[in-house]
Amino acid sequence: DQQVKQNSPSLSVQEGRISILNCDYTNSMFDYFLWYKKYPAEGPTFLISISSIKDKNEDGRFTVFLNKSAKHLSLHIVPSQPGDSAVYFCAASAGGGNKLTFGTGTQLKVEL
Amino acid sequence: NAGVTQTPKFRILKIGQSMTLQCTQDMNHNYMYWYRQDPGMGLKLIYYSVGAGITDKGEVPNGYNVSRSTTEDFPLRLELAAPSQTSVYFCASSATPGLVVRNYEQYFGPGTRLTVT
Repeated sequence: DQQVKQNSPSLSVQEGRISILNCDYTNSMFDYFLWYKKYPAEGPTFLISISSIKDKNEDGRFTVFLNKSAKHLSLHIVPSQPGDSAVYFCAASAGGGNKLTFGTGTQLKVEL
Repeated sequence: NAGVTQTPKFRILKIGQSMTLQCTQDMNHNYMYWYRQDPGMGLKLIYYSVGAGITDKGEVPNGYNVSRSTTEDFPLRLELAAPSQTSVYFCASSATPGLVVRNYEQYFGPGTRLTVT
């Protein structure tokens, strides 16, 4: 049972445009959400997070939006840059624990 | 700070062989984790530890063992390697969430690519 879903395996965006990566979850106990970025042959690196008490968190070019009623979150990257080309994983945590449940990832390609 | 380091980077095992994947962190984190990532899949938690001497199973623990004798090290042991254990293995660590700041950010090592044939 996939509790965190990223239904788009890949996304292609032009440089300078907005990239929107989506994530859906089914477990209503999830109360903390994170986005990780992964380059080939490297480990994932933390990008941005959001608590369930908020609906938006912004850090530079990256903004995460959380819609609890729809059990949906999204990551917006504006403007997109070629260096943003990577796999992006959505992850979620429940009830104050550190155990993360990861989605399957979305491969973002930012083209010149 | 080196962060989280993993050795080896690559390994090929024959079915039935055993090996230990090493993981060390220098951030004084209490929490450490082992994940595996299969092609096209997300990371799945194998085992985790909340401090030296304390370990617990994650989502996919079968075929693996762990120990945590120090804060820094969290080795993962494969006793009888099987083709189903072909995967990329990531070790991660995180700080203990504070009462005020809920920080679940995990720091990952570069991974070990394991092939069992």
